Amino acid sequence: DAGVIQSPRHEVTEMGQEVTLRCKPISGHDYLFWYRQTMMRGLELLIYFNNNVPIDDSGMPEDRFSAKMPNASFSTLKIQPSEPRDSAVYFCASSLDPGGGTEAFFGQGTRLTVV
Amino acid sequence: GDSVTQMEGPVTLSEEAFLTINCTYTATGYPSLFWYVQYPGEGLQLLLKATKADDKGSNKGFEATYRKETTSFHLEKGSVQVSDSAVYFCALNGGSYIPTFGRGTSLIVHP
Repeated sequence: DAGVIQSPRHEVTEMGQEVTLRCKPISGHDYLFWYRQTMMRGLELLIYFNNNVPIDDSGMPEDRFSAKMPNASFSTLKIQPSEPRDSAVYFCASSLDPGGGTEAFFGQGTRLTVV
Repeated sequence: GDSVTQMEGPVTLSEEAFLTINCTYTATGYPSLFWYVQYPGEGLQLLLKATKADDKGSNKGFEATYRKETTSFHLEKGSVQVSDSAVYFCALNGGSYIPTFGRGTSLIVHP
């Protein structure tokens, strides 16, 4: 397996524009997590899915953020409208069985810059 | 809720020095414990893990022992190399199934 694949690797957009980040998890992993990483706040969990169903979205900062997982091999994180304070690195991670002690596998991240 | 506390960095060492990065946790039940490493421009990747008390995880010369009595999982390496320079994250999988991470500790190793 190629691992968790995220696209794009870098995104620069203007304030007010819509941004869509994409993630392909490892095949067979039932759990998918979206994290945001900043110097100020470290690694924050935004939302996670189990078997394509959103379980906990309490980390989503506000209504401008939304996430979907239409099937087991694809997830999106959308920001509309984007703001400069959304600038960060966004990671997608998948895991087979976190409750059973399996680790999370991370993608390489999307570095988002909103100007 | 679950939480992980790790020492703040950066930790700056000379090559071949001994490394310790402290990590303590708060969780209900019996969490699994992990150390992840992040190299510049990359995602986090698993370094080692331990799934029950007194287990020792080890990889690439790094070690950590799951100490339930002190709720700790300190990372150690006997002789660091320049290539070990990275950010290290302590983490746990608790009862909520959500991987919970510490703030990360930057390690800088000088030749």
